[in-house]
Amino acid sequence: DIQMTQSPSSLSASVGDRVTITCRASQSISIYLNWYQQKSGKAPKFLIYAASSLQSGVPSRFSGSGSGTDFTLTISSLQPEDFATYYCHQTYSTPYTFGQGTKLEIK
Amino acid sequence: QVQLVQSGAEVKKPGASVRVSCKPSGYTFTSYDINWVRQAPGQGLEWMGWVTPRSGNTDYAQKFRGRVTMTWDTSMSTVYMDLGSLRSEDTAVYYCARGGAFAENGYYIQYMDVWGKGTTVTVSS
Repeated sequence: DIQMTQSPSSLSASVGDRVTITCRASQSISIYLNWYQQKSGKAPKFLIYAASSLQSGVPSRFSGSGSGTDFTLTISSLQPEDFATYYCHQTYSTPYTFGQGTKLEIK
Repeated sequence: QVQLVQSGAEVKKPGASVRVSCKPSGYTFTSYDINWVRQAPGQGLEWMGWVTPRSGNTDYAQKFRGRVTMTWDTSMSTVYMDLGSLRSEDTAVYYCARGGAFAENGYYIQYMDVWGKGTTVTVSS
């Protein structure tokens, strides 16, 4: 199975900050990498596919990059509604696997 | 409006089975895969498998093979996930999620673009 490791596991930031979350795959997955946002008690929300393509309706302050084994999710200017847990997700091969999550909290 | 409506919460005893349903609306039922993902309390997301209503194909994570069955009922336009031999570790929120794909430039990258609200399954004696 492909292991996905996110860092950091948690992050404190302020509104307006630029934040970056890293995701590393245990083997090369090309660009078969997606990102999701999950707020407490809610279902995940789909943000980014193919490492860097923004899902329709997702604010442009979100961006993704990377290929192979190393990927990043960047939020250019944090808004109050962005405080949540973020997961990376590989679909290069089954079983599809997720990172353990990065909890973004208000400083 | 595309949505997935899931069945209500379940409480089961160890060793029992549970069925969770997922009813898509707002799109052609047979045009997309349905994935099942679970989340134990305070934990991350775990993919269980997918079912393709169009072909009947399924792919289950090895961890669940032999205990899980994912099926669909075209007449009811509903997908089902059955999990047997329940144990306390199966206590979780179970989500169904529509499987979309990016297909360009030789890539076929799957993702989960629409999620149900989740079904809480509690396994307790």
